[in-house]
Amino acid sequence: GQQVMQIPQYQHVQEGEDFTTYCNSSTTLSNIQWYKQRPGGHPVFLIQLVKSGEVKKQKRLTFQFGEAKKNSSLHITATQTTDVGTYFCAGGAQKLVFGQGTRLTINP
Amino acid sequence: DSGVTQTPKHLITATGQRVTLRCSPRSGDLSVYWYQQSLDQGLQFLIQYYNGEERAKGNILERFSAQQFPDLHSELNLSSLELGDSALYFCASSVEAGTQYFGPGTRLLVL
Repeated sequence: GQQVMQIPQYQHVQEGEDFTTYCNSSTTLSNIQWYKQRPGGHPVFLIQLVKSGEVKKQKRLTFQFGEAKKNSSLHITATQTTDVGTYFCAGGAQKLVFGQGTRLTINP
Repeated sequence: DSGVTQTPKHLITATGQRVTLRCSPRSGDLSVYWYQQSLDQGLQFLIQYYNGEERAKGNILERFSAQQFPDLHSELNLSSLELGDSALYFCASSVEAGTQYFGPGTRLLVL
């Protein structure tokens, strides 16, 4: 079945450094979604990408969808302590398949 | 607040017991999903219901079952509980197969 892999599993940065997480699917995706889960919280929807090569920005967050629609990335510029959490990508048509997530911790 | 409610928030029980987790989706959402999240683990998809019918099945154990009622709320039944079933159980809802809105979760501890 479809698999979605995310790397890295963990990332620790100094506040102000950039952060990137990568998502790869074993099959072509109709769309990709990104979620953020704060420590002790529940996953919260961030964004959805649909088009090949699409790039979307939300303030310091930049989301990309690969040309082949099999990979995606989330880049955070100049991390802040509020960015701490686990970032999940999820892809699929009828059924969303979630990646294992990247846990971001930040040294203030 | 996502609009999805889950009860109870916490549940402590013993091995071999049976529990029922409840989820009320956002108003208007027909799809309900159940996920299991163990410590330091990702989201393991268990099962999806759409308008009362099972739509997709994931890594759900035979000891687990779920249903969605006519008012669209859903229940996840976990039986013959084992220590390894201790986890966070999330419910999510969506209109169709789109963006999923997650509830706050039920934290289950099996002793």
